[in-house]
Amino acid sequence: ETGVTQSPTHLIKTRGQQVTLRCSSQSGHNTVSWYQQALGQGPQFIFQYYREEENGRGNFPPRFSGLQFPNYSSELNVNALELDDSALYLCASSGTGKGNAEAFFGQGTRLTVV
Amino acid sequence: RKEVEQDPGPFNVPEGATVAFNCTYSNSASQSFFWYRQDCRKEPKLLMSVYSSGNEDGRFTAQLNRASQYISLLIRDSKLSDSATYLCVVNKNSGYSTLTFGKGTMLLVSP
Repeated sequence: ETGVTQSPTHLIKTRGQQVTLRCSSQSGHNTVSWYQQALGQGPQFIFQYYREEENGRGNFPPRFSGLQFPNYSSELNVNALELDDSALYLCASSGTGKGNAEAFFGQGTRLTVV
Repeated sequence: RKEVEQDPGPFNVPEGATVAFNCTYSNSASQSFFWYRQDCRKEPKLLMSVYSSGNEDGRFTAQLNRASQYISLLIRDSKLSDSATYLCVVNKNSGYSTLTFGKGTMLLVSP
């Protein structure tokens, strides 16, 4: 086990609703990244938080937002859900924000938007 | 052109076979390279980092060719437990970790 935990594991929401996904990083890790993995695709980078600040963002609209807390846990918020938001959302923690740091993934939250 | 391209497969091989996966990346400024393994409906897990000098971990050998922007993974003596999707991953930024994943190559090892 990686020590990265995500909640909930599964979620069903209706189009237009808002959702909050949670991630607890591995002990000692100060960097959390979020990824979206649609069916049959590789994970796509959403954004990264390092010491409570956004440290990089992928090609996702502003309705995808996040937070990192002093204990380095993190939330991903998605507003105005669309059907295409249905995916596995993965959180990854690493010991530093550096590019060569190994990232440890949580088991993911499977979101279905109907 | 996609940033990281892989043959999606599936590759169907018998136990004991040797199988090779290839991957190309488009950003010549990419800094770090990895292979991740993902089992069905599970999270990706790091298999190995990839270096220009090549590196080996048991039955797995990874190679990087920066000039050709090409990454490979060789699996020798395939086991049933090797069945999974193998994701080629590139980090294009040394300042912070933004992993760019390929779509993955599915491997099915049969008895």
